[in-house]
Amino acid sequence: EADIYQTPRYLVIGTGKKITLECSQTMGHDKMYWYQQDPGMELHLIHYSYGVNSTEKGDLSSESTVSRIRTEHFPLTLESARPSHTSQYLCASSVDRTGSPLHFGNGTRLTVT
Amino acid sequence: RKEVEQDPGPFNVPEGATVAFNCTYSNSASQSFFWYRQDCRKEPKLLMSVYSSGNEDGRFTAQLNRASQYISLLIRDSKLSDSATYLCVVNMGNYGQNFVFGPGTRLSVLP
Repeated sequence: EADIYQTPRYLVIGTGKKITLECSQTMGHDKMYWYQQDPGMELHLIHYSYGVNSTEKGDLSSESTVSRIRTEHFPLTLESARPSHTSQYLCASSVDRTGSPLHFGNGTRLTVT
Repeated sequence: RKEVEQDPGPFNVPEGATVAFNCTYSNSASQSFFWYRQDCRKEPKLLMSVYSSGNEDGRFTAQLNRASQYISLLIRDSKLSDSATYLCVVNMGNYGQNFVFGPGTRLSVLP
């Protein structure tokens, strides 16, 4: 069983607030990812990291930012939340080895009112 | 053309049926292949990796055809609990890990 955790599980917040979604993994995986998924829709990669101090933007443009100061921690921040940010945010990690799968956290469902 | 394409679905099948899902990918240099299942409003969970020689895990069989750039998943004796969306995932290997997700095929197993 993968050990990757996301908090909070659900978040309802007002427009303009700053929010940070937490993601931690205890597997020592170098690679971490953030995906965004609307209900019934495909997953879209918004950020990824190959290791400490490495962050890259994904395929889907996002107003969020990420940081990777420690291997196990990959938080995502929205400086000013808007209703268009309402979505499910999924964090994942993987070993840096061909053939290794992605392991997902249980997601944060964000609603911006 | 999408990098990873799947049967559009949904598939509605009776309990006990055998169902097959198909997936094609565009990048011939793709390195590894997976099937995930995703329940409604949950995270994707790894169902199985797909190996070149084909592999089986209980009622589930995965096949890979590199020449045709095609992956399949066969579910035998389907159960109500198999109802989910099945995602084909391809690691295209650009600059390290580059996982590309198919749009998914929804399966409903009916009593």
